[in-house]
Amino acid sequence: RKEVEQDPGPFNVPEGATVAFNCTYSNSASQSFFWYRQDCRKEPKLLMSVYSSGNEDGRFTAQLNRASQYISLLIRDSKLSDSATYLCVASGTYKYIFGTGTRLKVLA
Amino acid sequence: NAGVTQTPKFQVLKTGQSMTLQCAQDMNHNSMYWYRQDPGMGLRLIYYSASEGTTDKGEVPNGYNVSRLNKREFSLRLESAAPSQTSVYFCASSEALAGLPGADTQYFGPGTRLTVL
Repeated sequence: RKEVEQDPGPFNVPEGATVAFNCTYSNSASQSFFWYRQDCRKEPKLLMSVYSSGNEDGRFTAQLNRASQYISLLIRDSKLSDSATYLCVASGTYKYIFGTGTRLKVLA
Repeated sequence: NAGVTQTPKFQVLKTGQSMTLQCAQDMNHNSMYWYRQDPGMGLRLIYYSASEGTTDKGEVPNGYNVSRLNKREFSLRLESAAPSQTSVYFCASSEALAGLPGADTQYFGPGTRLTVL
C-alpha cells in the first residue's frame, strides 16, 4: 500500500462546478498535510496547508480527518485556470510523502 | 525574489556520462531535497540534507551522490548515467525537516529535464 494514495483521475468538470478530491495516508503519526498544485511540466507549488480545524482560502477548502486518515480538497466555482494536477502531501519521519496526484480538467 | 533555482533546465546525456545538477536557494532554509518525478510514480526522494554539512539517503539514492556545499547550495551528481535515470529532477527547500520544530512547507525549483540515451 502506498503511504499517500490519490485517485489519479482525470476529473473532467464544467466551468462553475464544484469538485472534491480525497487523499488517504497510512502513517498515523503524520503531523503536517498540504495540497500542492502542479501544472504540466512545471514544479509543484503550495496551494494550501491543511489544519485539523479545516481551512479555507477563497474558492478552496481543505479538511483533515485524522480518525479515517484522509484529507480532502474542495474547489468551488471551478475556473479554466484550475486545470492542473493536485498533489496531496503528508509528513513522514523527517520527510514529506507525496501522492501521485489527481488530474483536474475544467471544461468550457 | 529567486526562491529555488536549478541549472541546467534541460540536459541530454549518453549512457556512462557524468554530470552535476546544481540547486541554490535564497530563503535561508536549513533543509534541502532532491526528488525525481516519473510518470505514474509521483515525486520520489533521492537525497536530503537536514542542515549544512549533513546529507541522508532518501527512497531512491542508488546511482546518485550529493553535496551540501553551504547553506544555500545542494548539488546532485550522476557519476555514470543510465537510461533509467531519464526523469525530471526537482530540488526543494524548507525551513526544517518534517516533524522538527519550525518545519513547514517545501518550495520547489523549476526542475531539470534529463534524458539519458
